[in-house]
Amino acid sequence: EDQVTQSPEALRLQEGESSSLNCSYTVSGLRGLFWYRQDPGKGPEFLFTLYSAGEEKEKERLKATLTKKESFLHITAPKPEDSATYLCAVNPTGGYQKVTFGTGTKLQVIP
Amino acid sequence: GAGVSQSPSNKVTEKGKDVELRCDPISGHTALYWYRQSLGQGLEFLIYFQGNSAPDKSGLPSDRFSAERTGGSVSTLTIQRTQQEDSAVYLCASSSGQGRETQYFGPGTRLLVL
Repeated sequence: EDQVTQSPEALRLQEGESSSLNCSYTVSGLRGLFWYRQDPGKGPEFLFTLYSAGEEKEKERLKATLTKKESFLHITAPKPEDSATYLCAVNPTGGYQKVTFGTGTKLQVIP
Repeated sequence: GAGVSQSPSNKVTEKGKDVELRCDPISGHTALYWYRQSLGQGLEFLIYFQGNSAPDKSGLPSDRFSAERTGGSVSTLTIQRTQQEDSAVYLCASSSGQGRETQYFGPGTRLLVL
């Protein structure tokens, strides 16, 4: 069974304090790994898709990396507006896009 | 449309009543998904539609839940005889259906069963 585990569950950072969020996954084969951002009361907002180990993608202060067992979302010099829950999801090979989501990391950035 | 839309945004109902939740996917997207998100929980897959193929209903929690997709576009999720444990945010997502592509989510419907 596909599994996605995100850590930590919650993270509190001072503005400008860089850190990383972890997403560990277990799938028979990986078609793609997704990162989403979810603000309170809203639907998840797409950030990145990673397809193969070694791949990296960046967007503003965020950088996502992928290995064969885990993905990291690195946040460089975060700002209060980066506060949100970050969700990781995996799409296994075989069949269609049945995606399994982790429970997320709730990030709070303090001014 | 510009994005996935869902209605209503909020729904309060009494236990035992039926509710219908609507999803309008991104124009041209052939794949449509329903998820449920309970407080503090991850997204729980409910049902998947792809074009004219039979839907994957493997995630529906009970026979009180059903969904349809008319004309390959708009979808309706129906919950019959609602229970308090059905209270959650119901999220709809769509994707282009071409494989390896990203799902784009709507804002969700917040359902509260009293």
